Amino acid sequence: DAGITQSPRYKITETGRQVTLMCHQTWSHSYMFWYRQDLGHGLRLIYYSAAADITDKGEVPDGYVVSRSKTENFPLTLESATRSQTSVYFCASSEPTGGGQETQYFGPGTRLLVL
Amino acid sequence: AQKVTQAQTEISVVEKEDVTLDCVYETRDTTYYLFWYKQPPSGELVFLIRRNSFDEQNEISGRYSWNFQKSTSSFNFTITASQVVDSAVYFCALSEANNFNKFYFGSGTKLNVKP
Repeated sequence: DAGITQSPRYKITETGRQVTLMCHQTWSHSYMFWYRQDLGHGLRLIYYSAAADITDKGEVPDGYVVSRSKTENFPLTLESATRSQTSVYFCASSEPTGGGQETQYFGPGTRLLVL
Repeated sequence: AQKVTQAQTEISVVEKEDVTLDCVYETRDTTYYLFWYKQPPSGELVFLIRRNSFDEQNEISGRYSWNFQKSTSSFNFTITASQVVDSAVYFCALSEANNFNKFYFGSGTKLNVKP
């Protein structure tokens, strides 16, 4: 199906384990983003990528690693999960224009619980 | 200072009432986009509208309308004859031409529409 998908949709893990959240988009958008959404904090940017092999930190990057070997995929890895990383994670993609970011389209989200 | 302020944390209305969600933004750029997203209880983020800074025309889409006023740096969202299905969290967002990689979200307004 066309669009942006995330997997898994739900994940329970334990403190200290490595977890990878997957994001896949079919629009060939240049930009991809990872956000976390927590009560009281709204959406906060973790990492973004302007193109394949180009990534950069957002507002809250500590404890996360990203890669983008292909335009359509943008996995997010928690190297050693902590309870504070319990959150809902959203992936988004967009195509920039001269006036700024085009609309960001969001995936359905991944609910992660770290025990 | 916050780039996007949604001062109304939560609003409750009775079905068929009109309701306006406020959004005030801050930017020094002359070229920027403003957005509204809806997040229903199911959790996904749904794009509603994008407005560029050069287009101050108000927009109407069915029961939804948006009032963009550069003079007051506001981009307010009105739902006419609200329905229970409008119950959701609504986010206002900003992207700037000169800050290409960022997408600023407000903290969201939770709308409760009671039957």
